Amino acid sequence: QLQLQESGPGLVKPSETLSLTCSVSGDSMSNSNYYWGWVRQPPGKGLEWIGNIYYTGNTYYNPSLKSRVTISIDKSKNQFSLKLISVTAADTAVYYCARVRPTPGFIPFDYWGQGTLVTVSS
Amino acid sequence: SSELTQDPAVSVALGQTVRITCQGDSLRSYYASWYHQKAGQAPVLVIYGQNNRPSGIPDRFSGSSSGNTASLTITGAQAEDEADYYCNSRDTTGNRVIFGGGTKLTVL
Repeated sequence: QLQLQESGPGLVKPSETLSLTCSVSGDSMSNSNYYWGWVRQPPGKGLEWIGNIYYTGNTYYNPSLKSRVTISIDKSKNQFSLKLISVTAADTAVYYCARVRPTPGFIPFDYWGQGTLVTVSS
Repeated sequence: SSELTQDPAVSVALGQTVRITCQGDSLRSYYASWYHQKAGQAPVLVIYGQNNRPSGIPDRFSGSSSGNTASLTITGAQAEDEADYYCNSRDTTGNRVIFGGGTKLTVL
């Protein structure tokens, strides 16, 4: 059974860098059928796509976050990571990692981590 | 366009049928996927593609699409279906992902 688990600091100071890692078990991240993605959800609000990464290292980012986001992959550890620089209170959210099952016609996120709350505050 | 629009809230009587909709230009080219999310939990995929259910999702959930609108139908809504529902698809460029704003479903 595929499992994803987010890890990282729950509190980040304004202007600093948010860093999270997603550990994947039950599937190889070298599987060419999937992307691996990050989605966030501010308290009481909806889901916002952050970006996806393919096992080749190709990345796709939300245009509204692209200038601040880097997603990377470490296939040897079966992990992928998120870095978001210059954070503000608006970046406070539950951050989810997920497996993405892309096809030409649709792009479902079929497995999700439990999510981790990151608060931006001094 | 990079937006998917959902009604903020919908209600249904227990055992009745409800349809939740998602509108956007990208849906003329791409199918929506649908998720439910209960309070404090991660989203769960319930429908993807033309009308596909992941393993373990009850067959009372179904999906359809027409023009710029995708729909999730729950036939015989149960109390445990009360949740927030989100749609997503590719954007009109095909290279990005967009989510709808979500619909809060109340089962009366």
